Amino acid sequence: ETGVTQTPRHLVMGMTNKKSLKCEQHLGHNAMYWYKQSAKKPLELMFVYNFKEQTENNSVPSRFSPECPNSSHLFLHLHTLQPEDSALYLCASSQEGLVKVTQYFGPGTRLTVL
Amino acid sequence: KQEVTQIPAALSVPEGENLVLNCSFTDSAIYNLQWFRQDPGKGLTSLLLIQSSQREQTSGRLNASLDKSSGRSTLYIAASQPGDSATYLCAVFRNAGNMLTFGGGTRLMVKP
Repeated sequence: ETGVTQTPRHLVMGMTNKKSLKCEQHLGHNAMYWYKQSAKKPLELMFVYNFKEQTENNSVPSRFSPECPNSSHLFLHLHTLQPEDSALYLCASSQEGLVKVTQYFGPGTRLTVL
Repeated sequence: KQEVTQIPAALSVPEGENLVLNCSFTDSAIYNLQWFRQDPGKGLTSLLLIQSSQREQTSGRLNASLDKSSGRSTLYIAASQPGDSATYLCAVFRNAGNMLTFGGGTRLMVKP
């Protein structure tokens, strides 16, 4: 266990559904991340939050809406997704400061959009 | 734009062999480089982190090297074991911002 949990682990949704992915870190970190891992494509950063403030949005479509209510929790709200959005969504956290350190990853949510 | 490439994409070796995984990156203005391991259907586990001022890092049977000027890193695994079977990912942290850029990974299979 890395100290980062994600729920649900698997999710199947239709294109008209609205769902949310949840991530929680128990490491006392101040930065949290959402990544997308599609089949046969490199892992892609989606969003970065530092101290609850969004600092990076890597040109992600608006059908993905992140929310970070506090430094320990991160959500990804999903609506009107497309089949090509099917992927493994990974959450990570790190302690950001003067020195860049490693990120700790959760187990991911396997999303299938029908 | 930083691009990270890993070769080979897949590798199958018999148990006990020493092996090398390769990673290359296009922009040498990096802060650090990391190697991760990913087991099927699971998240990533950090193996080694090399700062841009370092040449190599070692952990057990793993040794990672970094040649920033040529944009290359290698991960050396000694005396491979079936438990080493996984996908190995290389990622670079650029100097500015919080972005890790990942390679496509090398899928390793170590046969008993």
